[in-house]
Amino acid sequence: GQNIDQPTEMTATEGAIVQINCTYQTSGFNGLFWYQQHAGEAPTFLSYNVLDGLEEKGRFSSFLSRSKGYSYLLLKELQMKDSASYLCAVRSTDSWGKLQFGAGTQVVVTP
Amino acid sequence: DTGVSQDPRHKITKRGQNVTFRCDPISEHNRLYWYRQTLGQGPEFLTYFQNEAQLEKSRLLSDRFSAERPKGSFSTLEIQRTEQGDSAMYLCASRGGDTQYFGPGTRLTVL
Repeated sequence: GQNIDQPTEMTATEGAIVQINCTYQTSGFNGLFWYQQHAGEAPTFLSYNVLDGLEEKGRFSSFLSRSKGYSYLLLKELQMKDSASYLCAVRSTDSWGKLQFGAGTQVVVTP
Repeated sequence: DTGVSQDPRHKITKRGQNVTFRCDPISEHNRLYWYRQTLGQGPEFLTYFQNEAQLEKSRLLSDRFSAERPKGSFSTLEIQRTEQGDSAMYLCASRGGDTQYFGPGTRLTVL
């Protein structure tokens, strides 16, 4: 089975940086994904890590350490529109690519 | 650019009724997933299709649930004899490469 843990909520100020941590336990790791989900909407893809290290994509970066079962999503220069839930999801080798999601971290950006 | 579409977007039904949802994936994607999401939780995997073949089903998919993808294009998810516990957002995702792209979801409310 898989356990995916991430904080429930984080609050940060517009223009600041926030780091959302995700820890996981899986029987056969095959990739970690981050999605953004605004209330009442579908998850939208942000990033994918399968090898250790940092992936940077504009204001968003994602880091992975497979040996530690750990990832983080870094959001820089926060904007009000970044207020959303951020979902960490793991794919394992013992399935047809289904994703196992954490419960999500609600990020609240304040003026 | 046509993404994943789902119909209907909202469905309100009475307990005991049958409901059917439709998903149209991105046209060149042959892999399709259904998930269910309840408030405050991440999506949970229900079932997976590769072309028309249903290759994986979650234990969450009770006998009252059935899914099809008859021609390897659109997919349907039917719930028979709905129960209040079925109230959730039902999400469809199609996969291109490593990434799953989600549709807007169907929000089901069972009264």
